[in-house]
Amino acid sequence: AQTVTQSQPEMSVQEAETVTLSCTYDTSENNYYLFWYKQPPSRQMILVIRQEAYKQQNATENRFSVNFQKAAKSFSLKISDSQLGDTAMYFCAFMKGYGGSQGNLIFGKGTKLSVKP
Amino acid sequence: ETGVTQTPRHLVMGMTNKKSLKCEQHLGHNAMYWYKQSAKKPLELMFVYNFKEQTENNSVPSRFSPECPNSSHLFLHLHTLQPEDSALYLCASSQDWQLAGSTDTQYFGPGTRLTVL
Repeated sequence: AQTVTQSQPEMSVQEAETVTLSCTYDTSENNYYLFWYKQPPSRQMILVIRQEAYKQQNATENRFSVNFQKAAKSFSLKISDSQLGDTAMYFCAFMKGYGGSQGNLIFGKGTKLSVKP
Repeated sequence: ETGVTQTPRHLVMGMTNKKSLKCEQHLGHNAMYWYKQSAKKPLELMFVYNFKEQTENNSVPSRFSPECPNSSHLFLHLHTLQPEDSALYLCASSQDWQLAGSTDTQYFGPGTRLTVL
């Protein structure tokens, strides 16, 4: 069975600084997808970034980038130039690739990030 | 309306009541999902529908009854719930990931905060 571990329950960062959130996962699959979702106090779960396991290049979306280490089964999220609006719970999630159970997203427990002015 | 919407946003019910949660997606997707988010636990996938057919039921108690009349609407019928069923219930949708060229990224609604007294 797949598991996703986020070892940092809470983190804080000063506005405009950089922060890295950790995520490790356990799987025997070779084809899979990894996601970071953000859930602000409004509760809306918002996709931040997505990585296909077969791609060696790390995904980036504006100020958000990942460090995907497939051999180490590590998928960390880096937020550059942190903004107050980045304050939220961040969830790392895993999904099997083609042939896996439809829609079976496996989430970590989340990291609560606070951006301080 | 855009994206994924859920109603009601808040619901308080007694253990003997019957209520329904509604989800609607405006993204042209074919797959819809129900998740349960409890305090201090990872999100748990409850049900998956693909083209109106249920494809996953993660051992959810029968007091939760899903209904998917079409690819845009998803309901969760609730009856004789227990206090431990109090949680945030999230709906999500995605394209059918088995379609060539489609993406399996799930897009979430804002959730229904359910309190069972």
